[in-house]
Amino acid sequence: KAGVTQTPRYLIKTRGQQVTLSCSPISGHRSVSWYQQTPGQGLQFLFEYFSETQRNKGNFPGRFSGRQFSNSRSEMNVSTLELGDSALYLCASSAGGMRNTGELFFGEGSRLTVL
Amino acid sequence: DQQVKQNSPSLSVQEGRISILNCDYTNSMFDYFLWYKKYPAEGPTFLISISSIKDKNEDGRFTVFLNKSAKHLSLHIVPSQPGDSAVYFCAAPPSNTGNQFYFGTGTSLTVIP
Repeated sequence: KAGVTQTPRYLIKTRGQQVTLSCSPISGHRSVSWYQQTPGQGLQFLFEYFSETQRNKGNFPGRFSGRQFSNSRSEMNVSTLELGDSALYLCASSAGGMRNTGELFFGEGSRLTVL
Repeated sequence: DQQVKQNSPSLSVQEGRISILNCDYTNSMFDYFLWYKKYPAEGPTFLISISSIKDKNEDGRFTVFLNKSAKHLSLHIVPSQPGDSAVYFCAAPPSNTGNQFYFGTGTSLTVIP
């Protein structure tokens, strides 16, 4: 069973640009969540999509957005990049359901550097 | 506001000894907790979980203890092995729908051979 696939793995952008990250969940998983990991901050929840609908949203500015397609693949977009957006962006999938008390399956992440 | 806290950024333990990683939480409504392990250049992987109806859960060398009155949980690894060297995160889902989890800031464990 293929794991969670995130692309690209590494990217460098400059301030003011925008970036789109992609995530393909495990086959059959309908929930995709996005997290930002920065040194000293742990994993911060961005948003979760389930069956193409945003089900939860974290406390991030509107520059951070996402979407999910009918095949459960998800993309997140960050517009008007700031230096502080440099981070590892992790995607996680799970089977979903009303409330998941099971495990999340994480991808290897997309390392974004903003110069 | 950090609802799940790991106050020790790092821990070093000799191989064969016990590793104890700690986690505190502020929201008494949390009823489920998980531990994840993360190696460099990899995504976190699920390690062990515990429901608030229990105070202990074991899985091989890993045991998680929950003290609800203190809002504290700990992960014990016995015996520690060099392959356990990784960053460990505790996490808790809010009592709403979906897969939003609050994660701690992580503890970097180094097991010295």
